Amino acid sequence: GIQVEQSPPDLILQEGANSTLRCNFSDSVNNLQWFHQNPWGQLINLFYIPSGTKQNGRLSATTVATERYSLLYISSSQTTDSGVYFCAVDGSNYGQNFVFGPGTRLSVLP
Amino acid sequence: GAVVSQHPSWVICKSGTSVKIECRSLDFQATTMFWYRQFPKQSLMLMATSNEGSKATYEQGVEKDKFLINHASLTLSTLTVTSAHPEDSSFYICSARDLNTIYFGEGSWLTVV
Repeated sequence: GIQVEQSPPDLILQEGANSTLRCNFSDSVNNLQWFHQNPWGQLINLFYIPSGTKQNGRLSATTVATERYSLLYISSSQTTDSGVYFCAVDGSNYGQNFVFGPGTRLSVLP
Repeated sequence: GAVVSQHPSWVICKSGTSVKIECRSLDFQATTMFWYRQFPKQSLMLMATSNEGSKATYEQGVEKDKFLINHASLTLSTLTVTSAHPEDSSFYICSARDLNTIYFGEGSWLTVV
């Protein structure tokens, strides 16, 4: 089945810093989404981005489908950005459902 | 606002009892909903796919008699953890697909004592 990798596994930033999170996937997919899980467990959908680039405030994402990776950019990080960032891909072409990566745990220090 | 609502957010139950978790799609109809389990500091693992009007499809290793899933309407799926044991304590979260986007409920923290 599809494999999803994320890097780095852990990231510690000072408030105001920028960061780039990476998601690699092993096969072509129809759908890729980025999620933020806050410290209370709530999963927030950030981007639906099977290809191209999208921006939402301080966050932006780029997926290069032909090279099977996606990047999530966080600029001017805030303490509320802390949590775990997951990318997930739609594996329905391969008989799978949504497959999650292991996540990147981000801590933004004041 | 939330498009998928999950209830309860927190539940504590005694060993041997059963607990039900509800997942509702608020703004759309979902013929398919998904149930995930998350252990501390780990990623989400799909437990089962809930299909409206038919039996759920369980992932390998998930006990269907222990984790009962009912999808009685296009907006409601329920997960019942039967004869709960402390090892069932976990974070359970549901999701539903609206067109191309997956939305998640708020999640439910289950503690079995």
